[in-house]
Amino acid sequence: AQTVTQSQPEMSVQEAETVTLSCTYDTSENNYYLFWYKQPPSRQMILVIRQEAYKQQNATENRFSVNFQKAAKSFSLKISDSQLGDTAMYFCASVGHFGNEKLTFGTGTRLTIIP
Amino acid sequence: NAGVTQTPKFQVLKTGQSMTLQCAQDMNHNSMYWYRQDPGMGLRLIYYSASEGTTDKGEVPNGYNVSRLNKREFSLRLESAAPSQTSVYFCASRTGTGHEKLFFGSGTQLSVL
Repeated sequence: AQTVTQSQPEMSVQEAETVTLSCTYDTSENNYYLFWYKQPPSRQMILVIRQEAYKQQNATENRFSVNFQKAAKSFSLKISDSQLGDTAMYFCASVGHFGNEKLTFGTGTRLTIIP
Repeated sequence: NAGVTQTPKFQVLKTGQSMTLQCAQDMNHNSMYWYRQDPGMGLRLIYYSASEGTTDKGEVPNGYNVSRLNKREFSLRLESAAPSQTSVYFCASRTGTGHEKLFFGSGTQLSVL
């Protein structure tokens, strides 16, 4: 079974500051994949960053990076130099290795960037 | 460059009515998904299909049925709609390789009165 938990329903931060969104997960898989998706008010779902569990190096994409703690089953998202366009819902998600396609999401964190 | 096409975009039903949400993708993806999104609940997986001819239950399958008609199409049916099924429904697809991202449809806003 896979479960994803996001314990911060809402967060806000001043523009240009750094913010970290938390995500924990539980899985019985040995290999799995983790994702952060962004959903702006347009309702479009946008992939922010992804991490392969067997890679120890934390993934980075420009201002977005993750802190992946496999033993603790933690996968937090750090947004540096936050911008007004980062205002959105953020969802953490997980899926198993090839052959297990059950892709589940957390409940989301609503992030507001304050000018 | 259609991607994932989901119809209809809006629907209002009366309790007890039935309807089918249609989803088609033109990216030759193996895996297809149906999610519902409710405030405070995130995206909850209803059903998914890892390949043509297979379907599996997700987290909240009760009250829904699905059909993977072929590799392109994955429909979601509500046999007897209930107010608790008022939600935004998203269809999504991906290749089926572990790290590949999901491609989403634009969503269906369903209200059951």
